[in-house]
Amino acid sequence: KNEVEQSPQNLTAQEGEFITINCSYSVGISALHWLQQHPGGGIVSLFMLSSGKKKHGRLIATINIQEKHSSLHITASHPRDSAVYICAVRRGTDKLIFGTGTRLQVFP
Amino acid sequence: DAEITQSPRHKITETGRQVTLACHQTWNHNNMFWYRQDLGHGLRLIHYSYGVHDTNKGEVSDGYSVSRSNTEDLPLTLESAASSQTSVYFCASSDSNRGAYEQYFGPGTRLTVT
Repeated sequence: KNEVEQSPQNLTAQEGEFITINCSYSVGISALHWLQQHPGGGIVSLFMLSSGKKKHGRLIATINIQEKHSSLHITASHPRDSAVYICAVRRGTDKLIFGTGTRLQVFP
Repeated sequence: DAEITQSPRHKITETGRQVTLACHQTWNHNNMFWYRQDLGHGLRLIHYSYGVHDTNKGEVSDGYSVSRSNTEDLPLTLESAASSQTSVYFCASSDSNRGAYEQYFGPGTRLTVT
């Protein structure tokens, strides 16, 4: 069993819909990261969190340390949000363990 | 602007050849990482370095080596390329000296071993 599990693996949505991507992990962590990989391949960091909730524009990330679960929400989704969203957990100081990603497609 | 670059962006090589993928960052980050990305797997750590002359094996290090002779560069060498090493390779860096653990990724190198 993977240490980091994401669901769903694939997600399609209509523009404007509220989207939730889930991440569960089975190990102790120091922080959790959400990353976005664009169709061109580039990977950018969206959030790094160790407790509670963070918001950036239309993106919201939450984490429940006791339940070992995090969610990434996108409000008012847009076709430009189409990408692969990757959850990763950090153990110790710097090494990351990655989930396999959730491929999101938002249609106009 | 500071950045992290990888070269080449695409490479086709034959089985058994030695291949070196370059990674260069201008942030002066102490930590550098090499990952491979394959369908059905998350990014998997190949090798990493916490500073000059420091290198460490990751979870999929067999057949790969790295060296860190300066802060900016961490080249990845495939000693004798195998078809199983066909993959997309990402380099990343982070600066844990300031307690900033966010990793910055390069654009990736698509390697095909025929």
